[in-house]
Amino acid sequence: EVQLVESGGGLVQPGGSLRLSCAASGVTVSSNYMSWVRQAPGKGLEWVSAIYRGGSTDYADSVKGRFTISRDNSKNTLHLQMNSLRAEDTAVYYCASSSHWGSSWYLDYWGQGTLVTVSS
Amino acid sequence: DIQMTQSPSSLSASVGDRVTITCRASQSISTYLNWYQQKPGKAPKLLIYAASSLQTGVPSRFSGSGSGTDFTLTITSLQPEDFATYYCQHCYSTPPDFGPGTKVDIK
Repeated sequence: EVQLVESGGGLVQPGGSLRLSCAASGVTVSSNYMSWVRQAPGKGLEWVSAIYRGGSTDYADSVKGRFTISRDNSKNTLHLQMNSLRAEDTAVYYCASSSHWGSSWYLDYWGQGTLVTVSS
Repeated sequence: DIQMTQSPSSLSASVGDRVTITCRASQSISTYLNWYQQKPGKAPKLLIYAASSLQTGVPSRFSGSGSGTDFTLTITSLQPEDFATYYCQHCYSTPPDFGPGTKVDIK
């Protein structure tokens, strides 16, 4: 059974930093395309970042240069380092793993989410 | 970037109704389109991948169709547990954006 458990959320002041973690079981983080998706209060889903099997990464323009996705293969854990946080980064952050069908992919396992609140 | 739109943004329906939700991409994405269901306070759940493939464990009343720019999610006989918000997402390129969502509530 696949389980993804996020941690590290909380209240942070604008301009501050936070590091989210996603502990995985039943799936190998280093062998999967892993993503972070966020959802601001009362809003829709926003893709934030992804790390591919080969280690390359992608980011949404809204977080590029401020957020860094990484993984710790020894702990089978995904991370999201968030710097220079802004009020508009306030959201529930989900980690998700993907599977592939041909050249397509989809997010089939999701964590329960961790809330990040950026406020003074 | 590819823009995703959904219609309607919300709808009211009764148990047993047939419900159709439309998702449109700003350019052709072949069948690189997924559908998710989200209930309040919960993580999204994958329903359909590659436009029309039913995820394991998802009831057969859910179906997806379409290719290119226009896609539909159909629920043939709405059940009480189907009242939720539905999102499409393309996986054609980066960023793999989601549509704005369609909220299905009880009439």
